[in-house]
Amino acid sequence: GAVVSQHPSRVICKSGTSVKIECRSLDFQATTMFWYRQFPKQSLMLMATSNEGSKATYEQGVEKDKFLINHASLTLSTLTVTSAHPEDSSFYICSATPGQGLYGYTFGSGTRLTVV
Amino acid sequence: QKEVEQNSGPLSVPEGAIASLNCTYSDRGSQSFFWYRQYSGKSPELIMFIYSNGDKEDGRFTAQLNKASQYVSLLIRDSQPSDSATYLCAVSAGNNRKLIWGLGTSLAVNP
Repeated sequence: GAVVSQHPSRVICKSGTSVKIECRSLDFQATTMFWYRQFPKQSLMLMATSNEGSKATYEQGVEKDKFLINHASLTLSTLTVTSAHPEDSSFYICSATPGQGLYGYTFGSGTRLTVV
Repeated sequence: QKEVEQNSGPLSVPEGAIASLNCTYSDRGSQSFFWYRQYSGKSPELIMFIYSNGDKEDGRFTAQLNKASQYVSLLIRDSQPSDSATYLCAVSAGNNRKLIWGLGTSLAVNP
């Protein structure tokens, strides 16, 4: 149980375009999902907490207008990178938990974004 | 500032040995403690969670928690080359609160 599906796994886009990444909880409902970014050889950096039916909570330094998060249902959260630039190239990963996090958070397989 | 600290390594052990990974945390209100393994280019996968003082064993893995000293450790017995990865320690105050992550310890198990 506790499977999180993330799509796409890899995307290449042109500078200035927008990219949408989907995160789905397949066998449980998730009121909260988390979006992370990871640069090569660095640790995970939490970008935002996605709350179903309400606005996402962004971490300090993360531009909410650039990284749009929508959590419209209990099984789907999306992250849209708007007007992408090469410096946005990174590994984006979502996570969720079927409970209150007591038993750990499951991660999606991640999305490798390359902006050219 | 709530922090989780790990030795970045690399920690190198021979195949079959015990690998010991350590993590300290600053927030005494932390309730849940997690160890994740991350292979290069992949997303993290949960190995163990613990929230009571003492030891918790699962196969070759043992998590140890000492809340008074604010540390949590992970022991890997009979280490295998496939255990070579980065091990991330994460701490949470519970109730769907966000995880606070360590920077990870790189483990290399040599055949």
